[in-house]
Amino acid sequence: QMQLQESGPGLVKPTQSLFLTCSVTGFSITSGYYWIWIRQSQGKHLEWMGYMTYSGETFYNPSLKSPISITRETSKNQFFLQLNSVTTEDTAMYYCAGGDDGTPDYWGQGVMVTVSS
Amino acid sequence: DIQMTQSPASLSASLGETVSIECLASEDIYNNLAWYQQKPGKSPQLLIYYASSLQDGVPSRFSGSGSGTQYSLKINSLESEDAATYFCLQDSEYPRTFGGGTKLELK
Repeated sequence: QMQLQESGPGLVKPTQSLFLTCSVTGFSITSGYYWIWIRQSQGKHLEWMGYMTYSGETFYNPSLKSPISITRETSKNQFFLQLNSVTTEDTAMYYCAGGDDGTPDYWGQGVMVTVSS
Repeated sequence: DIQMTQSPASLSASLGETVSIECLASEDIYNNLAWYQQKPGKSPQLLIYYASSLQDGVPSRFSGSGSGTQYSLKINSLESEDAATYFCLQDSEYPRTFGGGTKLELK
């Protein structure tokens, strides 16, 4: 049974970078699936941020206001989200997920991130 | 980006009733549509993919239909556990985009 777990700082200051980790158990991130980041604002709107494939290819949502980067550490079966120059608009619940072709099927529990000075 | 317009934003229904939720895509998404259920404090769970295929373990009272730009999720014989927010997601093109959500309240 695949499980995903997000971790990261709960509070980040504006203009700083945000770094989140998704730890995957029960399935190797190099064996298949797309590894996805999604966030949900307090208004409950869901925003698909991007993915990294099992082979390491990435795609980022060009509509995002802040630049992002998705990377991985295969030895730890983890993938990461970095969001640069955050603003208060980046305050959200962040989810990592796995699924076919960028469509999330398996979700983590989410990690709440607040951007505030 | 493909825009997904979901309606209604909220609805209230009684146990045993049948409800429908709609999603309208800004262009043809060729049945590439998924539905998710999100309960308070939980992450979304996949209910239906490819517009009408039921995910394993999802009760048969959930069904999806539609084509082109118009899609719907139908829930028959509402049960108390169906109180949740429902989202559609188009997976026809990147970036994937979600509908705004429908909050279903049980009377």
